[in-house]
Amino acid sequence: EPEVTQTPSHQVTQMGQEVILRCVPISNHLYFYWYRQILGQKVEFLVSFYNNEISEKSEIFDDQFSVERPDGSNFTLKIRSTKLEDSAMYFCARRTGAHEKLFFGSGTQLSVL
Amino acid sequence: AQRVTQPEKLLSVFKGAPVELKCNYSYSGSPELFWYVQYSRQRLQLLLRHISRESIKGFTADLNKGETSFHLKKPFAQEEDSAMYYCALRTGGSYIPTFGRGTSLIVHP
Repeated sequence: EPEVTQTPSHQVTQMGQEVILRCVPISNHLYFYWYRQILGQKVEFLVSFYNNEISEKSEIFDDQFSVERPDGSNFTLKIRSTKLEDSAMYFCARRTGAHEKLFFGSGTQLSVL
Repeated sequence: AQRVTQPEKLLSVFKGAPVELKCNYSYSGSPELFWYVQYSRQRLQLLLRHISRESIKGFTADLNKGETSFHLKKPFAQEEDSAMYYCALRTGGSYIPTFGRGTSLIVHP
């Protein structure tokens, strides 16, 4: 099955800095998701993106977060001003159809110092 | 709101022993339940889902609506089963699965 590639695999940043996490799914996939997992906690939904628009977002996904698909291929998650509590593993996922399973990327480990 | 509970953070067994990873959910309607697995240094991937009624790598899971459970079972654990296992719930109102916190399964030789 086609893979979802995430870059970088690790990102270290200073508190207050902006970070952009990238996901490279196959171009004909329509449904994309970002999840995160803080160490020792559950995998939490952040946002879903369908047909180049946000379709759903969680309470976690506040004004500090944004997503876009600027070139029709890469799917990015931007955190405008990182906080210590943003340190987590961030997973991108895609889905080919309404009732299909999720395929996850390998994740980006974000560490905010 | 729906919730998924995996009461055990860690489950440690010996090779050949039976395994049961517990998952309970709270949702009043008809849910769709999944088990995802993450092996060391690999991505999260679907193991099985209740609507398929399948057995994958010897694992099975039965949806018990009366007990609101979807426990994952395997009669004889193998070392290669060592991984993080996540139970997930999806409801009719959303295509977005809600995950539990995960259970780390360690199978000793």
